[in-house]
Order: sequence, then structure tokens, then C-alpha cells
Amino acid sequence: TQLLEQSPQFLSIQEGENLTVYCNSSSVFSSLQWYRQEPGEGPVLLVTVVTGGEVKKLKRLTFQFGDARKDSSLHITAAQTGDTGLYLCAGSTGANSKLTFGKGITLSVRP
Amino acid sequence: NAGVTQTPKFQVLKTGQSMTLQCAQDMNHEYMSWYRQDPGMGLRLIHYSVGAGITDQGEVPNGYNVSRSTTEDFPLRLLSAAPSQTSVYFCASSRTGTKNIQYFGAGTRLSVL
Repeated sequence: TQLLEQSPQFLSIQEGENLTVYCNSSSVFSSLQWYRQEPGEGPVLLVTVVTGGEVKKLKRLTFQFGDARKDSSLHITAAQTGDTGLYLCAGSTGANSKLTFGKGITLSVRP
Repeated sequence: NAGVTQTPKFQVLKTGQSMTLQCAQDMNHEYMSWYRQDPGMGLRLIHYSVGAGITDQGEVPNGYNVSRSTTEDFPLRLLSAAPSQTSVYFCASSRTGTKNIQYFGAGTRLSVL
């Protein structure tokens, strides 16, 4: 079983601050995805990274896949209250769509 | 465009009762899966299916059965509910392949007393 460790588990910051959160594993993944989940809803995909060293930007969010494809980071610039939610990373190792999820990072952005 | 539809949204069961959580998708996706989400545990895979007539176990399959008679539907059955099955259950679907987006339903919140 491949494990994905996400850190920190909880993060509370002021609006306008920058933050970086992490998703680490000892396993190599063929792709890694980040999802955001709001209370009472299912997770929604933010990004998929597939190439070691890849960097993808989604407005104020920057995602990076480690060179060895074992880890990933999510950096948020100038956080907004709308960024509040649970951030989940999920990795896939095989040819099918089966995903292994991390335990998630609960982000709270205070106004 | 409905996407992934789960019913019911909420359910309360007594220990030993049975029930079926429904999941339907209208995107013609081959891959469907069921997860449970518990506080501090992330999403854990219960069962999954890569197409009609094909199912397989995930990380936590005990106490749950599934079937996939059509591409659209993937019901999850609890044969004899236990308090340990109190959780939020999510169904997801995607096209087959590691890079494909998984679309999630809104979840079913189940309490077993």
C-alpha cells in the first residue's frame, strides 16, 4: 500500500498571507492530483501533475511535482477566505484509475 | 448535466440493518469507485469497477458488497450495518487512465446506531 503523508494537518492563516503545504511519499507515482473539498460536498479536482519537476499554476495556486515523482507541494499566494477548505492529494501508480489519497490538510483563512 | 448522483444524502440505520447506497453517473465513464471518509483519515477506497460486470476490492472492503450491471450505476450494499460503518460515503467516476479527472458525488452521510 502506497502512503501519502500530507503536512501540516491543520493550518490557520490571515487573509493575504502566503503558504505552502506538502504531500510526501516513499513510493513513485505515475501521476499526482490535488483536490479541494468544501464542507458537505465531494472533492473537486484542482490539478494533475505527471512529469517529474513539473510546475503548474492555477491563478494564485502553484503546484509542483518532485523530480523523483514521490512528492508534491502546493503554494498559495495571497490567500483569500475562499481558499478555506480541505486539500487532498492523491496518487496513482498503475495503468488503471485507482487513487491513493492522503489524509488531507484543513486550511482556514481568516478575514 | 447531472454528473455523479448519490442517494440518499443522509441515512440513519440500526445495527444489523441492511441498505443500499445508490450511485449513478451520466458521463459514460468506465471507472467507478466508492470511498469512505472519516475524520483525520482522508478518503479510503472500498470497492471499484473498471467496467460493467467487473468489480474489485479496495483498501477497506469488509462489510460492503458492490455490483456493476450497467455502465451508469454502481450501488454499494451494507448487508448488516455496524457502528464502525458510520461515515460519509463518496462515489466517484472517471475515464480509465491515471491522468483522468475523478468526479465525485456530493456524498451520503450514514450513521449506524
